[in-house]
Amino acid sequence: DGGITQSPKYLFRKEGQNVTLSCEQNLNHDAMYWYRQDPGQGLRLIYYSQIVNDFQKGDIAEGYSVSREKKESFPLTVTSAQKNPTAFYLCASSIQHRQGGYTFGSGTRLTVV
Amino acid sequence: KNEVEQSPQNLTAQEGEFITINCSYSVGISALHWLQQHPGGGIVSLFMLSSGKKKHGRLIATINIQEKHSSLHITASHPRDSAVYICAVMGGGSEKLVFGKGTKLTVNP
Repeated sequence: DGGITQSPKYLFRKEGQNVTLSCEQNLNHDAMYWYRQDPGQGLRLIYYSQIVNDFQKGDIAEGYSVSREKKESFPLTVTSAQKNPTAFYLCASSIQHRQGGYTFGSGTRLTVV
Repeated sequence: KNEVEQSPQNLTAQEGEFITINCSYSVGISALHWLQQHPGGGIVSLFMLSSGKKKHGRLIATINIQEKHSSLHITASHPRDSAVYICAVMGGGSEKLVFGKGTKLTVNP
């Protein structure tokens, strides 16, 4: 079955370390997204990519980086510059940007200690 | 102020009850999404609508473009419907979805 795979489900890192969250989709979707979810807040967009080798900053891109070398993959790196990295991270995709329904992954809960 | 407001924030119901969750938004939109988030965190897309009404099983979503308002209804609610329901809108000129904070639904047996 087609879908989005995020790994790992839980991730612990020491403060000051960079960490990369994986997101893979086999839906042949062009657009992919990374969102951050904090308690009591709506999802906020970190980065999105409309096509391979292209990506744009979302509302809260500071301290994060992404790459889109393959259509299927959109990894997110949480750098040491991100002041409050502990959060739940969700990856999503859509057929094309701003079109069609969205498919979400199961998320990665990152805890920085 | 969030552009998407959901009500109520929390809702507790008894099995079998009819559930209504509301979503109001402040901008013109091209589409509105209803999403379901289970305790594990994964999100499932329930509906995408830009006008009228959609139905899938016991779930019904309606939207009133003039009123800038949408409702999600669950008929004959069941404990497995317990989840957080999230409304999100895509503005006509925006590049991104804007999400509500979610409504936590608990259905007791």
